[in-house]
Amino acid sequence: GAGVSQTPSNKVTEKGKYVELRCDPISGHTALYWYRQSLGQGPEFLIYFQGTGAADDSGLPNDRFFAVRPEGSVSTLKIQRTERGDSAVYLCASSLLSGGPYEQYFGPGTRLTVT
Amino acid sequence: EDQVTQSPEALRLQEGESSSLNCSYTVSGLRGLFWYRQDPGKGPEFLFTLYSAGEEKEKERLKATLTKKESFLHITAPKPEDSATYLCAVQAGGNYQLIWGAGTKLIIKP
Repeated sequence: GAGVSQTPSNKVTEKGKYVELRCDPISGHTALYWYRQSLGQGPEFLIYFQGTGAADDSGLPNDRFFAVRPEGSVSTLKIQRTERGDSAVYLCASSLLSGGPYEQYFGPGTRLTVT
Repeated sequence: EDQVTQSPEALRLQEGESSSLNCSYTVSGLRGLFWYRQDPGKGPEFLFTLYSAGEEKEKERLKATLTKKESFLHITAPKPEDSATYLCAVQAGGNYQLIWGAGTKLIIKP
C-alpha cells in the first residue's frame, strides 16, 4: 500500500517568509509525528498527534512553529518568519496505534533551505 | 537525561566482512528500542523493535540483540547494497517520542 508522503520534497525560501509543509500518513494510522533532521544527526522530535489533537508538542523549538491535523489524517507543519537555522530535513512519520512502543513509518522528508 | 549513543560514527567493510554496530542507551524505563536504516535523501526505514533484554531479531543478513545497557546490530557477510546509515532510537517512560542516536554510516566495498 501507499506509504507516508510529504510535499514538497524541496522548499527554498527567503529569511522571514512563511512556509507550510504537508504530510499524508498511511491510511488508518492514528498517530502522526513530525521530526527534523540536520546533516549527520538523528531525527529530532517536534510534535506528536493522536488523532486530531497534539498530544505532545514539547519538541517545537519556539512559537514560530505550529502544526495542525484538523481531520485526523493529513497534517501541516507551519513555520513563520523563517530563519536560516530552520534549514533542515523535516520528516513526518505515522504509526498504526498511539502510545506504543509501535514502529513508526517515515516519509521521504521535505528539505527546507532558508536563504 | 535520556541519551542514545551510537558507535562507530562510520564503518568501512569489504563485502563479506562481518561486523557489529553498537547502540548504548541511558533511559528511565525502556519501553522499546528501534533500529532503522536510512539511505541518502530518504526517510528512515524500519528494521526491528526490541522490547526486553535478551531479545533477538533477525532479517536477512541483519541480527539485532538487546541488553540492559546496549543493543548490537550484527551484519553477517554484508553486500554493497547494505551500505546506508543505521539509526537506533528508544522509547522510554511515559513518552511517545523516540530519542535517536546520531547513526552509524556503513560503507560496504565490493
